[in-house]
Parts: sequence; structure tokens; C-alpha cells
Amino acid sequence: ETGVTQTPRHLVMGMTNKKSLKCEQHLGHNAMYWYKQSAKKPLELMFVYSLEERVENNSVPSRFSPECPNSSHLFLHLHTLQPEDSALYLCASSQDWRRSGACDQPQHFGDGTRLSIL
Amino acid sequence: GENVEQHPSTLSVQEGDSAVIKCTYSDSASNYFPWYKQELGKRPQLIIDIRSNVGEKKDQRIAVTLNKTAKHFSLHITETQPEDSAVYFCAAILMNRDDKIIFGKGTRLHILP
Repeated sequence: ETGVTQTPRHLVMGMTNKKSLKCEQHLGHNAMYWYKQSAKKPLELMFVYSLEERVENNSVPSRFSPECPNSSHLFLHLHTLQPEDSALYLCASSQDWRRSGACDQPQHFGDGTRLSIL
Repeated sequence: GENVEQHPSTLSVQEGDSAVIKCTYSDSASNYFPWYKQELGKRPQLIIDIRSNVGEKKDQRIAVTLNKTAKHFSLHITETQPEDSAVYFCAAILMNRDDKIIFGKGTRLHILP
């Protein structure tokens, strides 16, 4: 049990499909993150949700759409993806430093979803 | 823009010897520096971290040093063991209103028997 659970572990989809990745954390954290990991860019931050508000979007294409309904759940909705979007998508959570007052709040990662676009 | 340079990209070390991985960051306001270890097919896991008001931190065989003036920090692994083989990522994090988290490109560490 990692504390951060991602489903599915593997996903194969066509470019016209719509799918969603799910992340759930059981650590009582209030910040959640989506990362893309590929050979090109080993750990690329995509989205940050802190206190259930999106605080950073690193110019990710609109075909990726995050949703954070509460502090424990995070989704990444996918539509009309491209072959270059094939990668490992990692979710992470942490305690938001603004609530804890401490800046050293490490992130805890899930096992990732391996996404392949046909 | 902000950047974290990590070197080397690959490192082979004889078992029992020490390994050092170095990272340089560009934003002098960065105030938190974690290191993650990712074994093949597994998720990144935090192994050690350091805050900007500390120069060195040690946890058994691993240590991290921070030089704020030079804007670089290093991971030191002593008495390396086969299970230390993995990819190691450094990160520089700026905790303020617009949190910035930037990872290095990773170092693949091979421990040779």
C-alpha cells in the first residue's frame, strides 16, 4: 500500500478515444500533482492542485484536462491524444506548505499509469 | 526560465565505493531540495531532502549537501550496494504563492559487482 493509488496501471487507446486516469490518496494530504514521465523528459510537472484549486498549469495541451473534486481524488481526462503523449503518468500528493507552515513537504508518488496511444 | 541541471546522466560505481550526483539550480529563491530514487518499473520515492537553511543532512549511507552561494546541491551515497542501482532525481522547489517544482533529468546509477 503506497498511500497513493492510481488506476488503471496500463491503458492503450486510440487517438480518437476519451479516457480518464484516476488517482486517490489516503495520506490526508491537501495538494495533488500530475506528472508525465518519458524518455525525453524524465519528470515533467503537468498540473498542481493545492487546497482543491489549480495553482499551476505548465502550458499543457488542452487535450489533457485535470479535475480535482476533493483533496483525496484527482483525475486526468484525456481526449484526442497524439502518439507523443505515450508515457508514464504519475500522480503525487503532499501536504500544502501554506497550511502546515513548513516548506519541506515531500511528495509521495503513485505507481503510475502506463499510457500507450495507437 | 528556471532550470535544474543534473550530472552525470549515467554513473557506474564499484560495489562498496561511493557515488556522488550533483545538481545545479537557477532560481536562488528555491528553498527545498528533495532527492528521489526510482527503481526500474517503480514509482519515485523520497530518500532524503534538505531545506535551504541547512548545509548538510545525513541519513545512514546517504547524505545531501547544499551550497546556496553556488546554487548547487549533491547526493552522496557511501558503501554502495547492489540495491542502490536505480535512477535518482533531484528537485528544486520554491515554496511561495506560485509554487515551482523543477526536477533534474535524472542519473542512472549502476552498482557493479
